[in-house]
Amino acid sequence: GAVVSQHPSWVICKSGTSVKIECRSLDFQATTMFWYRQFPKQSLMLMATSNEGSKATYEQGVEKDKFLINHASLTLSTLTVTSAHPEDSSFYICSAQIYNEQFFGPGTRLTVL
Amino acid sequence: KNQVEQSPQSLIILEGKNCTLQCNYTVSPFSNLRWYKQDTGRGPVSLTIMTFSENTKSNGRYTATLDADTKQSSLHITASQLSDSASYICVVSPREYGNKLVFGAGTILRVKS
Repeated sequence: GAVVSQHPSWVICKSGTSVKIECRSLDFQATTMFWYRQFPKQSLMLMATSNEGSKATYEQGVEKDKFLINHASLTLSTLTVTSAHPEDSSFYICSAQIYNEQFFGPGTRLTVL
Repeated sequence: KNQVEQSPQSLIILEGKNCTLQCNYTVSPFSNLRWYKQDTGRGPVSLTIMTFSENTKSNGRYTATLDADTKQSSLHITASQLSDSASYICVVSPREYGNKLVFGAGTILRVKS
């Protein structure tokens, strides 16, 4: 139980394009989902907290207009990286919360050329 | 400032040997402390979760301890296997942060045959 999936698992895009990453809780409903970014050999950095049906709460320094988050249902949250640039290349990980525990997705490797 | 520090930064051991990873934290008060295993290019997977009142928690070959007085936790791995090669992350949930987590930088473990 408590499985979280992400799609795609990796994506390569050109600079200036937008990329959408999906995060799904497969066997449970999650009122709260989190989006993290992880650079090589560093730990996870929280980008934003997403609650179903309401606007996401972004961490300091994270541009909400660049990283669009939509939490349309209790099992799906999406992160759209708009006008991506090479510095946005990173490993993006989502988590879904149930009973005060977060379950992490497998991550999405984004490479911006 | 809420911090979680882990040591060593990296560790190489022979297959079959035991090892202990350390975590020092300044987060207080906290709801729980967790240890995660993160394989390269994958999301973190929970190994143990302890509330502030628990001293030890086991999960197969993994045993976590918690000393709330010294603000230290350790993760002991017995009879290591090649598949234990991964990053091990100590994560603390501050009571004041609600659902947010504070991540350590992780210890990279490599098990050699």
